[in-house]
Order: sequence, then C-alpha cells, then structure tokens
Amino acid sequence: EIVLTQSPGTLSLSPGERATLSCRASQSVSSNYLAWYQQKPGQAPRLLIYGASSRATGIPDRFSGSGSGTDFTLTISRLEPEDFAVYYCQQYGSSPRTFGQGTNLEIK
Amino acid sequence: EVQLVESGGGLVQPGRSLRLSCTASGFTFGDYSVTWVRQAPGKGLEWVGFIRSKTYGGTAEYAASVKGRFTISRDDSKSIAYLQLNSLRTEDTAVYYCTRTRLQLDYWGQGTLVTVSS
Repeated sequence: EIVLTQSPGTLSLSPGERATLSCRASQSVSSNYLAWYQQKPGQAPRLLIYGASSRATGIPDRFSGSGSGTDFTLTISRLEPEDFAVYYCQQYGSSPRTFGQGTNLEIK
Repeated sequence: EVQLVESGGGLVQPGRSLRLSCTASGFTFGDYSVTWVRQAPGKGLEWVGFIRSKTYGGTAEYAASVKGRFTISRDDSKSIAYLQLNSLRTEDTAVYYCTRTRLQLDYWGQGTLVTVSS
C-alpha cells in the first residue's frame, strides 16, 4: 500500500500570498496518477488537479500541480478568501487507492 | 449536469447491515467506474473501494479495512451503484460519498451519514 504524507498539517497564510502544499509517497506513484482535492466545511470534496498537473474543469489557473515519482506539490499562486479549506492528495496508480491525511489551509 | 445522490444512511446497531445507494444522472453511467469514499467525523478521507465499468470487467476492489464485509455492485439500467455494508462496527461510522470515477474522482455526491451505535 502506498502511504501518502502531506505537509504541513496546517498552513497559516493571508489572502494574496502563495501557498505550497506537499504530498510525499512511500513509493513511486504509477504514471503520476496523483490528484488533489479541496474540501470546505460541510461540503463534499472537489477535484482540483489530476495526473499530477492537469487542472480539472472549471478550476482557476491560480491552482497548479507539479511533481513526479514520490514528490508532488500543489501551489496556489495568490490566495483568495474562498481558497481556505482542507486539501487532500490521492494516488490512483495502484490499489488500494490511498489519500493523504490532509493539509488545513487557514487564514492567518 | 452531472449529479450523484447517496441515500440509505442512518443509525444501525453493531453487527447489523445497511445498503447505501448512489443514484446518478447527467451522464452515461455505464461508461464510468464508481468509487466509494468515507469520512469519519472530524477525520480525513478514506478510500473504501470501487467498481469498474462493464467495459473493464465490472469487477470491484476494496480497502483492507472493509474487505469481506462490504460489497459494491451496480445496476447500469437504473444508473445506480450500491454499497452493501455487513457486520458493521462502530469504527464504520462516517459520511459515505460516492464518486464518478475515470481514474481520478471527478464528481462527488453530497454524502450520506452512517452511524453505528448501540
């Protein structure tokens, strides 16, 4: 089973700042099948990034994903108030598909 | 518009069973896999399992924590996926989401809460 470790656990930033979230896998993720999801309180998660770097439909271009193998990054270039949420990475290259434990992006 | 609606959650005693449904609309259901994900209160996301489309054999895979107790099935004629939960434990208490799945989970339902308690 691939274990995904996200860091930091909590990230405190202000609107307008740049956010960098990390997701590290215990072994290489096949075909870079790595996705990022955003979840706001009381809501279902929403797909942001798939294939490590492809934005999902309707996702603003301030969100970008990068990385390969075992190290992946989600970057939000300029934080908007609506971006403060919990972010999860997930690998879907091998079974069982697994999620990271999440990064809570909070307003500073 | 793609929609997924879960139903069937509720309060159930340990050891009992429950069947959740995921009713889809707005797309050709049979062309997609369906994944179930759960989230215990105040916790992160946990992948439960998925069922492939018939094109890819219609087979299912499960997380170790539910294998042998949970079963995923689908009825493409009704655009419904099911999650049968047997031998429920208190640690199965969670919101259960169904998701449309290509490889990534691109659309999610709003979830249904399952509470396992005596």
